[in-house]
Amino acid sequence: KAGVTQTPRYLIKTRGQQVTLSCSPISGHRSVSWYQQTPGQGLQFLFEYFSETQRNKGNFPGRFSGRQFSNSRSEMNVSTLELGDSALYLCASSRQDGLQETQYFGPGTRLLVL
Amino acid sequence: DAKTTQPPSMDCAEGRAANLPCNHSTISGNEYVYWYRQIHSQGPQYIIHGLKNNETNEMASLIITEDRKSSTLILPHATLRDTAVYYCIVRASNDYKLSFGAGTTVTVRA
Repeated sequence: KAGVTQTPRYLIKTRGQQVTLSCSPISGHRSVSWYQQTPGQGLQFLFEYFSETQRNKGNFPGRFSGRQFSNSRSEMNVSTLELGDSALYLCASSRQDGLQETQYFGPGTRLLVL
Repeated sequence: DAKTTQPPSMDCAEGRAANLPCNHSTISGNEYVYWYRQIHSQGPQYIIHGLKNNETNEMASLIITEDRKSSTLILPHATLRDTAVYYCIVRASNDYKLSFGAGTTVTVRA
């Protein structure tokens, strides 16, 4: 079974621009979560989507948004990029058809903001 | 808001067992212990999880103490490819997210 895929793998943007990252979950998985990883803050939860609805959200500004499509694929968008948004953005999927579902991570998208 | 304590680093000889400790003294009855690892610049990889009983899979074994206040991840025969940051995470059954701490940087040496 194919794992979680994320595109693009690497991205360079400049301050003020906006960016869209894509995540395709494992087949059959309905929940997609997004995390940001930086050297200073470590891995932090951004938001989680299930059945095209955002169910949970971490403590990030409104510049960070996302959506999920009917095929469970998800995108996250960051508007008005800041230097501090440079990070590894990770997507994780899980089945979410019961309790305690294991999350499986993709390889991440490394974003550099200049 | 990580609920676990792990040593910041440890070394292990190739071919030997690596025993990674984790303290979670405030764990609740409905919280599981999860282990993930992250090889440099890659996404975290799920290893194993457990509630009360010891667990084993093709990657590792998880030993949870009877009072559940600590656990040990055992990599039975460490290889150079096991060099990574290992995260011990406590997660309730209704938790929607994983809360990562700093983890343990494990270096396997030839």
